[in-house]
Amino acid sequence: SQQGEEDPQALSIQEGENATMNCSYKTSINNLQWYRQNSGRGLVHLILIRSNEREKHSGRLRVTLDTSKKSSSLLITASRAADTASYFCATDDPYGNKLVFGAGTILRVKS
Amino acid sequence: NAGVTQTPKFQVLKTGQSMTLQCAQDMNHEYMSWYRQDPGMGLRLIHYSVGAGITDQGEVPNGYNVSRSTTEDFPLRLLSAAPSQTSVYFCASSSTGLGYNEQFFGPGTRLTVL
Repeated sequence: SQQGEEDPQALSIQEGENATMNCSYKTSINNLQWYRQNSGRGLVHLILIRSNEREKHSGRLRVTLDTSKKSSSLLITASRAADTASYFCATDDPYGNKLVFGAGTILRVKS
Repeated sequence: NAGVTQTPKFQVLKTGQSMTLQCAQDMNHEYMSWYRQDPGMGLRLIHYSVGAGITDQGEVPNGYNVSRSTTEDFPLRLLSAAPSQTSVYFCASSSTGLGYNEQFFGPGTRLTVL
């Protein structure tokens, strides 16, 4: 069963706008990760946030984590056409040996 | 560094045939894993390995075997292919436990079982 669930399933925005994707999970975690997948490619790691962190930045990416609500969000600011991809959140099991992915959000950035 | 490599890129099998998907990494990572990705779904963990000689089952292990004789290689064997195994398969590696550090993914193998 999937631990993380992304919302929305699909998102279409204009270049320059911000994109926000949400992830909810069911059980307690050590870490939460976000990945990007371009069409027909493997996944690329974007950012990892630990359970004792609330916010993390990497370039135009901002990730927040609310462990009380079991949710995370990924914000991409000033989006570009090259940001068009699927975005997945992934959470670990208590031992850190397994990573469980959500179904993903498909982001389309129109130029 | 080549990173994580997978062969073949595409494969078509008939029901009942067996085959091995190859995965190799040159980053000296201890952890390696196999996932399958089906349309509209995220990745589901098939098997993983925490080091040479040590493997364990993931979420959907039935119909697949793995072994890890070296740090670099982690092949996935389909024993008797079924149409339900039509999917895209990804291999990944990481330096520490799967949840504790970023995973590096291969480009994937697209498998069709007729």
